[in-house]
Amino acid sequence: GDSVTQMEGPVTLSEEAFLTINCTYTATGYPSLFWYVQYPGEGLQLLLKATKADDKGSNKGFEATYRKETTSFHLEKGSVQVSDSAVYFCALSGGTNAGKSTFGDGTTLTVKP
Amino acid sequence: DVKVTQSSRYLVKRTGEKVFLECVQDMDHENMFWYRQDPGLGLRLIYFSYDVKMKEKGDIPEGYSVSREKKERFSLILESASTNQTSMYLCASSFHLGMNTGELFFGEGSRLTVL
Repeated sequence: GDSVTQMEGPVTLSEEAFLTINCTYTATGYPSLFWYVQYPGEGLQLLLKATKADDKGSNKGFEATYRKETTSFHLEKGSVQVSDSAVYFCALSGGTNAGKSTFGDGTTLTVKP
Repeated sequence: DVKVTQSSRYLVKRTGEKVFLECVQDMDHENMFWYRQDPGLGLRLIYFSYDVKMKEKGDIPEGYSVSREKKERFSLILESASTNQTSMYLCASSFHLGMNTGELFFGEGSRLTVL
C-alpha cells in the first residue's frame, strides 16, 4: 500500500534560518502530494500541494517540488519565523488506497527568536 | 469561508458511556473522514464515507461506528468508551475526484478524555 516517510523531529531552528523537512513516498499511479500544517490547538490546514511530477507548490514562503524520479516532496523555507512553529505533515492521495489520504507521522518545528 | 465544524472541542466522559462526536461541513463535499491523532502515532483513519448512508472502515475501526444520514453531517460514535480511546479526534471532508480526493479540509478537533 501507500506510505509516506517524513524526517524525524523535532526540529529546532533560530529565526531566519533555512528550513528543510524531508518527505518521501511510496505509491502506485499518479498521486497528488500535500503539505499540511497544524498550529497549536488547531486542526490541520493545507499549506501547499502539487498534483503532477515537476510541479512546485508554494505558499507563505514555503515551497516543495514533486520529484517523481526520487519519489520526494521536501518542504523548504528560506527564512523561518517564530510564527512558523507548528507540526508539519506530508501526505498523498490518489495512490493505491483510492479515495483516501496517506499521512506521514508529522514533524514538529520550533523556531526560537 | 469554507468550514468544517466539530460539535465539541473538549469532552470528558466515563468508561462505558456512549459518546457522539458530530461533524458538519458547509462545502457540499461528498467525502468525509474521521481520524484520531495520538503523540508518536500521527493521524490514523477510523472511518470514512463517500456518500450519504455509505461508510467504509479505515485502519482502526474497532470500537467505533459512524452515521451519515445527511450529506453535510458525519457522526462518530463510541458505543462504550474506554480509556484507550482518549485522544484528539479530527474530522475532515473533501470533494470526490475519482481516485484522487484532493485537498482535505479539517475541523479544529475534539479532544476526548475517558476516565
